[in-house]
Amino acid sequence: GENVEQHPSTLSVQEGDSAVIKCTYSDSASNYFPWYKQELGKRPQLIIDIRSNVGEKKDQRIAVTLNKTAKHFSLHITETQPEDSAVYFCAALYFGNEKLTFGTGTRLTIIP
Amino acid sequence: DADVTQTPRNRITKTGKRIMLECSQTKGHDRMYWYRQDPGLGLRLIYYSFDVKDINKGEISDGYSVSRQAQAKFSLSLESAIPNQTALYFCATSPGQGTRLQYFGPGTRLTVT
Repeated sequence: GENVEQHPSTLSVQEGDSAVIKCTYSDSASNYFPWYKQELGKRPQLIIDIRSNVGEKKDQRIAVTLNKTAKHFSLHITETQPEDSAVYFCAALYFGNEKLTFGTGTRLTIIP
Repeated sequence: DADVTQTPRNRITKTGKRIMLECSQTKGHDRMYWYRQDPGLGLRLIYYSFDVKDINKGEISDGYSVSRQAQAKFSLSLESAIPNQTALYFCATSPGQGTRLQYFGPGTRLTVT
């Protein structure tokens, strides 16, 4: 089955700087890659996603890049703000079996 | 997202007890999922269902069972709870067609003593 590795497990960034979280996946047939944000005590919520036919996607301060050859994808947050502090999860899904496999999460802390 | 609800929100139970966690949704989605969240392990899929007659095991189904009573309801049962089932449990739904976006419920914190 699919295996998703996520790094780093914790990340501290000065407010205003950029943060990058990286994930690698094992199943080359995976073709959908969402990122979820989970604030303390709350449910995970989708912040951005990308399909395998796209190399990069942006939404304001958030971007995701995908390298299918290397089987890795990354989340980029620019101009970080205190409200970006949360746990971020990457995930990979293969349309053939419709199962979403999550990474182990990155706890991002923005230092004011 | 109030469209996906879970009951109870918190539960403390003893080893060996049977417990049921319930999930309801008003989104009209066909697909429903149960995940377990443990610190450092992320979210792991327990069971999933693509319609009322379809039930599938996820990666950690041992010790759990599910029931899809209706399109809107998907219940997770622990027949004989054990301490290592202490975790945060999330239900999620997805429309499936054209999107794989999953909407999560608020979670149930289960403690087995």
